[in-house]
Amino acid sequence: EAGVVQSPRYKIIEKKQPVAFWCNPISGHNTLYWYLQNLGQGPELLIRYENEEAVDDSQLPKDRFSAERLKGVDSTLKIQPAELGDSAVYLCASSPRTSGGSYNEQFFGPGTRLTVL
Amino acid sequence: QKEVEQNSGPLSVPEGAIASLNCTYSDRVSQSFFWYRQYSGKSPELIMSIYSNGDKEDGRFTAQLNKASQYVSLLIRDSQPSDSATYLCAVKRKTSYDKVIFGPGTSLSVIP
Repeated sequence: EAGVVQSPRYKIIEKKQPVAFWCNPISGHNTLYWYLQNLGQGPELLIRYENEEAVDDSQLPKDRFSAERLKGVDSTLKIQPAELGDSAVYLCASSPRTSGGSYNEQFFGPGTRLTVL
Repeated sequence: QKEVEQNSGPLSVPEGAIASLNCTYSDRVSQSFFWYRQYSGKSPELIMSIYSNGDKEDGRFTAQLNKASQYVSLLIRDSQPSDSATYLCAVKRKTSYDKVIFGPGTSLSVIP
């Protein structure tokens, strides 16, 4: 079974430039997450999708960040314009639905390391 | 108070010893608890989940949950150098969002 795929793995941009990250979850996983992880900290949720619906985007800085999950499969996270403080690792994860309709284990992709100069 | 707290470490133990990692959480209605391992430069991977009070054992790993004290721990028996990593505690809150909150992680170093 293929894991969560993310691209690019590394990205270096200058501040004020746009950047986009792509994620393809594990086949059959309804739930998809985007996290931000700074060095020495745990992942922080940016947005969670159930199929095509964004069910929790309360931590997404909507003035500069946007995300979409068309057709309920792969997803794109965009930052426009990027700021110096956006330098971090952006992780995508997915979960299968449990029999109770919830989710438990999250499977993480390798992440995209963003450096904003 | 942060929602999920862990000692940042680093925690150093000799090879073969028991490593004890601790996590406290603030939301009493939390339902599900997870331990993820993250090697340097890699992404987190789930090693244990626990949903009810008591102990849950899986090989060298034991998760312990005490909901009254809002405390969850991970014990690693016969620690190996390959266990050296950051261990993230994650807590799922029962809200309309079913949100999972990660702690900052504890860095473990197993000394040969």
